[in-house]
Amino acid sequence: AQKITQTQPGMFVQEKEAVTLDCTYDTSDPSYGLFWYKQPSSGEMIFLIYQGSYDQQNATEGRYSLNFQKARKSANLVISASQLGDSAMYFCAMREATNTGNQFYFGTGTSLTVIP
Amino acid sequence: NAGVMQNPRHLVRRRGQEARLRCSPMKGHSHVYWYRQLPEEGLKFMVYLQKENIIDESGMPKERFSAEFPKEGPSILRIQQVVRGDSAAYFCASSPFVLDHNEQFFGPGTRLTVL
Repeated sequence: AQKITQTQPGMFVQEKEAVTLDCTYDTSDPSYGLFWYKQPSSGEMIFLIYQGSYDQQNATEGRYSLNFQKARKSANLVISASQLGDSAMYFCAMREATNTGNQFYFGTGTSLTVIP
Repeated sequence: NAGVMQNPRHLVRRRGQEARLRCSPMKGHSHVYWYRQLPEEGLKFMVYLQKENIIDESGMPKERFSAEFPKEGPSILRIQQVVRGDSAAYFCASSPFVLDHNEQFFGPGTRLTVL
């Protein structure tokens, strides 16, 4: 089974509108972390937001928030007030703890295009 | 505190040559991960290393690819006898070993082109 599933290969959003990028995950590890990264056309990976499995509240970082639904194993990224600079690939990722360290898994990404 | 450094940023090789990609983790980070990103695809895990130790190489192709993270110096991803299908962006990430809230810090990537 896929550890991280992103079912939206591409999304469009009007500038200033909000958009939700979907992510579901699969793990039996009780302690895990969920991340979102942005990859603009320049290619670098930019960390956006983190949610720990034991965190009671949804993580927020500026215009980014993570809609964490543990029972559904979903960790959707919400971007509010979209800007043209938000056009990029977005990757959901999960960290699982192992005896010797951490293992990270990435989804296939969602390409977001913000329309003026 | 410098971020994760990768060099070279761009590497061109002819088929059959060797490619060496270097990654210097962030200061204080003892864990290094290598990922490959093929054009129009997501990141695929290749290998996870600590200093002088390969922890998980389940994502590495069985032949031609090797990785090391020596006690001193950067981590090296080596691809021998490159083929056109090796053309990709190779990202290195590092993290500290803290069991809770580990973010991976990514380098800028090395874009390998095989002619």
